[in-house]
Amino acid sequence: ETGVTQSPTHLIKTRGQQVTLRCSSQSGHNTVSWYQQALGQGPQFIFQYYREEENGRGNFPPRFSGLQFPNYSSELNVNALELDDSALYLCASSSRGTQETQYFGPGTRLLVL
Amino acid sequence: QKEVEQNSGPLSVPEGAIASLNCTYSDRGSQSFFWYRQYSGKSPELIMSIYSNGDKEDGRFTAQLNKASQYVSLLIRDSQPSDSATYLCAVGASGTYKYIFGTGTRLKVLA
Repeated sequence: ETGVTQSPTHLIKTRGQQVTLRCSSQSGHNTVSWYQQALGQGPQFIFQYYREEENGRGNFPPRFSGLQFPNYSSELNVNALELDDSALYLCASSSRGTQETQYFGPGTRLLVL
Repeated sequence: QKEVEQNSGPLSVPEGAIASLNCTYSDRGSQSFFWYRQYSGKSPELIMSIYSNGDKEDGRFTAQLNKASQYVSLLIRDSQPSDSATYLCAVGASGTYKYIFGTGTRLKVLA
């Protein structure tokens, strides 16, 4: 157990809807990264939050957005859902430093119909 | 495009044997390297991190890094059926804090 929690565990949405996924970081960690993992693929970096600001973004459109709160928890919001958004969404928490190591939560499995 | 490449497998080894998993990366500036294990339907679990050239051992696991060849490997000694999983290689992209993952190698340990 990493101490990183995510909610919900599973979610079914229809195309065009909006979704919010939540993540609580491990105690002592101040950085949260979000990844999308499609079936049979490795996780793909969406973005990272550090001190409540976006600190790096992968190749994802603006309809993927996020927030980090003062307690370092984070949200991932996806607007105008598309079928290809169906994936496992992973949150990873870490403590900013030169040998930063990311620890993953259990993930949220999103199905878009 | 910075890439991390792994053989997708499956790599099948008998119980008790050594499993050798390999990974190459394209970003010469990368300084941090990680191996994660992912069971089917679960999230990635950190096994090893390595930052310097050479070997790093932790129990039955040994990570090996060669920055000149842009190559990182994971050896699993005395493989057990419970080691059957997908092993993901992750590389810290230079100048950022993001990780770039390979597609993973599926390992099957045969009892």
